[in-house]
Amino acid sequence: DQQVKQNSPSLSVQEGRISILNCDYTNSMFDYFLWYKKYPAEGPTFLISISSIKDKNEDGRFTVFLNKSAKHLSLHIVPSQPGDSAVYFCAASFLDSNYQLIWGAGTKLIIKP
Amino acid sequence: DTEVTQTPKHLVMGMTNKKSLKCEQHMGHRAMYWYKQKAKKPPELMFVYSYEKLSINESVPSRFSPECPNSSLLNLHLHALQPEDSALYLCASSLSLGSRLGSNQPQHFGDGTRLSIL
Repeated sequence: DQQVKQNSPSLSVQEGRISILNCDYTNSMFDYFLWYKKYPAEGPTFLISISSIKDKNEDGRFTVFLNKSAKHLSLHIVPSQPGDSAVYFCAASFLDSNYQLIWGAGTKLIIKP
Repeated sequence: DTEVTQTPKHLVMGMTNKKSLKCEQHMGHRAMYWYKQKAKKPPELMFVYSYEKLSINESVPSRFSPECPNSSLLNLHLHALQPEDSALYLCASSLSLGSRLGSNQPQHFGDGTRLSIL
């Protein structure tokens, strides 16, 4: 049973526009959510995270929104840049076992010039 | 540039060889992790060290043997691997395993070692 789902395998966005990546989860006990970006032949790079006690966290061009009632989070990238083309993974964890990241399958973001 | 450094970047070995993967971080993190990642899949947790002690072993075969010589270094010793063990091996670190609600302790990953078993 996949507890963290990224239903869009890929997303194509025009440079300069907003990219919105979505993630749904099934376990309401998750305490912490993270977004990672991964380029080919590199390890995942931590982007931004949000605790379950918040509904928004912002860092530069990246904003993560958490809707606990809908069990949904999204990553907004504004404006999108060519270097943002990568695979984006959503992950979740519990407070008492925060070593265990439950990963989504990833969404490949392509920024078109 | 990643703050978690892994060597070597690529490794090709036969099934009878013994080799080691190395990981180093100087961020003062006290939790370190080994992951295995297959193509187009998320990373799979293998081992977790906390304050240089093995805390979690996710039922990994004994042909993989982790070692944490000090708080900055993490090794993964390989022996008698199988072709299906070919994968990207990632090391990660975080401030600690303990956390409190609202705290931010993400795992930071190295670029991995691409391992091929002949």
